[in-house]
Amino acid sequence: AQTVTQSQPEMSVQEAETVTLSCTYDTSESDYYLFWYKQPPSRQMILVIRQEAYKQQNATENRFSVNFQKAAKSFSLKISDSQLGDAAMYFCASSMDSNYQLIWGAGTKLIIKP
Amino acid sequence: DVKVTQSSRYLVKRTGEKVFLECVQDMDHENMFWYRQDPGLGLRLIYFSYDVKMKEKGDIPEGYSVSREKKERFSLILESASTNQTSMYLCASSPPDGINTDTQYFGPGTRLTVL
Repeated sequence: AQTVTQSQPEMSVQEAETVTLSCTYDTSESDYYLFWYKQPPSRQMILVIRQEAYKQQNATENRFSVNFQKAAKSFSLKISDSQLGDAAMYFCASSMDSNYQLIWGAGTKLIIKP
Repeated sequence: DVKVTQSSRYLVKRTGEKVFLECVQDMDHENMFWYRQDPGLGLRLIYFSYDVKMKEKGDIPEGYSVSREKKERFSLILESASTNQTSMYLCASSPPDGINTDTQYFGPGTRLTVL
């Protein structure tokens, strides 16, 4: 069965510093997509970043970047210059075969210390 | 921008009531999903639909049913609400292959309390 594992239930970082959230996954597919989503407290789940597995180049979106290690099945999210607004639950997800579903990790709660 | 709306942000119902949660998306997406989110358990898929009148069971379909009569609308139905169905319910949609494939766009969620 395909799985996504986020081993850090909670992380904290000082404002303006850099933090890395870990995610590992297990799939037998050769082509798939990986996602990081953010869910601020009492607010909507939004897409942070998306990576296509066949692309070797790591995706970046402003202060958010990923370290995608396909052989190791690792997909970590780096947040640079952390801001108070980055405080949220972060979920890692992987697409699975061809039925449009995503497999979700349990989430990491990110706390930003002012 | 994709917009996914859910009929209620907060809902309080009594045990045994029939509950309808509505979700509407405005981007002509093929696929729609209903999740349940509980602390420490992440997102669990209840049902999804890849076309009008089509539905597939997810991981936890028991106690729920769905309806998709129109492409833009996907309803989750609790036939007889129970206290263990108190939770946050998230609706999502995703486009067909070739356009941001598999990317899911979420509604704001409905926090349902069953008394």
